[in-house]
Amino acid sequence: AQTVTQSQPEMSVQEAETVTLSCTYDTSESDYYLFWYKQPPSRQMILVIRQEAYKQQNATENRFSVNFQKAAKSFSLKISDSQLGDAAMYFCAYRSGETSGSRLTFGEGTQLTVNP
Amino acid sequence: ETGVTQTPRHLVMGMTNKKSLKCEQHLGHNAMYWYKQSAKKPLELMFVYSLEERVENNSVPSRFSPECPNSSHLFLHLHTLQPEDSALYLCASSQVTEYNSPLHFGNGTRLTVT
Repeated sequence: AQTVTQSQPEMSVQEAETVTLSCTYDTSESDYYLFWYKQPPSRQMILVIRQEAYKQQNATENRFSVNFQKAAKSFSLKISDSQLGDAAMYFCAYRSGETSGSRLTFGEGTQLTVNP
Repeated sequence: ETGVTQTPRHLVMGMTNKKSLKCEQHLGHNAMYWYKQSAKKPLELMFVYSLEERVENNSVPSRFSPECPNSSHLFLHLHTLQPEDSALYLCASSQVTEYNSPLHFGNGTRLTVT
């Protein structure tokens, strides 16, 4: 079974600075997808960014980018120019590309605080 | 109109009560999910409905009973719950035929069992 580990329960960053959230995963599959979700106090899980394992290029969405290291099974999220609205719980998630369905395996989450 | 709507937002129930959580998606997706989110734990997948058929149960206790009458609606019927069932219950939907389709979540129902 796949597992996802987020080793940082809490992180903080100053507004306008850059922060990196760590995620590692364990899988024997070669085809899979990785996601970062954000959960603000409103509780709704919001997709931040996604990465297909077969793509070597790191995904980027505006101020959010990932560092995907397939061999190391690492998938970190970098937030540049942090804003107060970035404060939330961030979850890393894994989805198999070899079995049917869209079920995700989540990490335990990292609580990000943005200081003004 | 949000993509995935959950009601109620909060629910307090006794261990002998029967209640239901409701989820509705307006995204045209063909798969729906129930997740349980407890403090300090990863999200736990409870049920998956794909094309209106339940495809995964994940060994959830029988006091939780899902119902998916159509591709847009999903219910979670609750009865004789335990205090440890107190958690945030999240509903999600996706397009199962698209391999990189992310899950779209609702705002969740905060359940407290007294």
